[in-house]
Amino acid sequence: NAGVTQTPKFQVLKTGQSMTLQCAQDMNHNSMYWYRQDPGMGLRLIYYSASEGTTDKGEVPNGYNVSRLNKREFSLRLESAAPSQTSVYFCASTLTQNYGYTFGSGTRLTVV
Amino acid sequence: QKEVEQNSGPLSVPEGAIASLNCTYSDRGSQSFFWYRQYSGKSPELIMFIYSNGDKEDGRFTAQLNKASQYVSLLIRDSQPSDSATYLCAVTQGGSEKLVFGKGTKLTVNP
Repeated sequence: NAGVTQTPKFQVLKTGQSMTLQCAQDMNHNSMYWYRQDPGMGLRLIYYSASEGTTDKGEVPNGYNVSRLNKREFSLRLESAAPSQTSVYFCASTLTQNYGYTFGSGTRLTVV
Repeated sequence: QKEVEQNSGPLSVPEGAIASLNCTYSDRGSQSFFWYRQYSGKSPELIMFIYSNGDKEDGRFTAQLNKASQYVSLLIRDSQPSDSATYLCAVTQGGSEKLVFGKGTKLTVNP
């Protein structure tokens, strides 16, 4: 049972490049989330998906897009990377609010 | 944006002592409360959750909730060096599943 799998684990981008962060869960969870974690800022919600086919903005959505491809997969896309998007990105999923989140191992992204 | 506040620390305790971590939240509609532990360079892992006022114990960990005071705490008894990590308080936003996280308290347990 892999839980939540994120790829890649590390990435360096040049300003203006695009990339997609992949996330898949095998726990049959309904809800999936993308957070970024920056020093001194804590975890901030970028986008979330309460169910297959639905997505909503979180606290810091600018510069990002998401796709809930199916119940298992939730991807995060940076169309034109900026240095301000240098961060650690975590994908998470949950069955219901009573169970808390299961996090992936994270993607450490550096934009130069 | 609803807020979750934690003392950033660092909090330093000797091995075997009780570590006390505190959290306050602003959203009176919050229904579920969680404590996550995050080791340096790793992802957060859930260690405790609590929904009702009072105490909840799990091994060396006790979570305490006071909804009237909008206060959540985590006590770690018999602290071990392996407990050294950053502890994140998380609170559901209103009646939703979305979690709002505090910035975390860094705990160091000295042998």
